[in-house]
Amino acid sequence: QVQLQESGPGLVKPSQTLSLTCSVSGGSISRGGYYWNWIRQPAGKGLDWIGHIYASENTRYSPSLKSRVTISVDASKNQFSLKLTSVTAADTAVYYCARGDHHDNNGYIDYWGQGTLVTVSS
Amino acid sequence: QSVLTQPPSVSGAPGQRVTISCTGSSSNIGTGYDVHWYQQPPGTVPKLLIYGNNNRPSGVPDRFSGSRSGASASLAITGLQPEDEADYYCQSFDTSLSAWVFGGGTKLTVL
Repeated sequence: QVQLQESGPGLVKPSQTLSLTCSVSGGSISRGGYYWNWIRQPAGKGLDWIGHIYASENTRYSPSLKSRVTISVDASKNQFSLKLTSVTAADTAVYYCARGDHHDNNGYIDYWGQGTLVTVSS
Repeated sequence: QSVLTQPPSVSGAPGQRVTISCTGSSSNIGTGYDVHWYQQPPGTVPKLLIYGNNNRPSGVPDRFSGSRSGASASLAITGLQPEDEADYYCQSFDTSLSAWVFGGGTKLTVL
């Protein structure tokens, strides 16, 4: 059973960088065939896909966030990370890390972390 | 404004059947990209409900079914139960954006 756990600061100041880490247990992040995703959800709103990394080094990001986002993997720690620069109050949300599996022509999320609330405020 | 459009809310009485639509375009569902569905009861983490248009993961009751036609997809729930009250999201891939995309979500109320 794969488990994911987000960690990182719950409060970030405006204009600073939001950094989160997702620790994966129950399976190696280096094993191919999976997408390692970050998804966020502002309070009372819908799911917002941020991006993912696959095959350890290939990334794909939401066009609306692409200029500010970096997702990377630390295979030695079985972790992957999110960095979001120049944050504003609009980036306040619950951030989920999640594993994506392939199905035919795209992928879906089969395992989710519990989510971590990040508030952007001075 | 989500790339995939869902109705904000639907409702039904216990035992009834409801459907939730997910309307896309020629750059996502209409091109043939698979649609997946998630259920998120209040205060919980989303859970995979349907993958690949019409496949149920182990443990999901057969009251839940999915379909895709043209540029749209639908989630049907039969024999509605109180515990089905949740937000439901569709998800696919958009080739113009080169990104995974979610629908805006639909709140299901069991009357």
